[in-house]
Amino acid sequence: DQQVKQNSPSLSVQEGRISILNCDYTNSMFDYFLWYKKYPAEGPTFLISISSIKDKNEDGRFTVFLNKSAKHLSLHIVPSQPGDSAVYVCAAFNGNKLVFGAGTILRVKS
Amino acid sequence: EAQVTQNPRYLITVTGKKLTVTCSQNMNHEYMSWYRQDPGLGLRQIYYSMNVEVTDKGDVPEGYKVSRKEKRNFPLILESPSPNQTSLYFCASSSRLAGGNEQFFGPGTRLTVL
Repeated sequence: DQQVKQNSPSLSVQEGRISILNCDYTNSMFDYFLWYKKYPAEGPTFLISISSIKDKNEDGRFTVFLNKSAKHLSLHIVPSQPGDSAVYVCAAFNGNKLVFGAGTILRVKS
Repeated sequence: EAQVTQNPRYLITVTGKKLTVTCSQNMNHEYMSWYRQDPGLGLRQIYYSMNVEVTDKGDVPEGYKVSRKEKRNFPLILESPSPNQTSLYFCASSSRLAGGNEQFFGPGTRLTVL
């Protein structure tokens, strides 16, 4: 039972445009959500997070939106840069552990 | 430099030969955890530890053991490895597991069990 799902395995975006990465979850008890950036054969690195009491959190080019009624969150990257190309992993905090999605491969073309 | 280290980074072994993957962090974090990553799946938690001498099972603990005798170290032990434990393993730590404190991940250990 996958509680956190990233339904798009990959996304390709032109440099300078917006990248939108999506994540759906099933457990309404999750109270914190995080996005990680991951390169092949490396550990994930933390990118941005959002509490369930908020609907938006912004950090530079990265903004995370949370829609609790739809159990959906998204990561917006504006403008996208070639260095953003990586795997983006969504995670949800449930009590004492993180539950991870499978990730979405983002390719930013120059 | 703040970091989580894992050793070895790569390991090929045979079924039934006991092995230990070490994990160490230098950030004085209370919380440590082990995950495995398999193709098409998200990271799945194997075991976690809230503090010294406090460990608990994650989602996929079968076939694994852990110990937390010191705050900085959290080794993963496979007493009798089997081919279905072939995977990419990550250790992680964080200062507290509340309020979404981000976890810091190690570089990963790629294990192959023949």
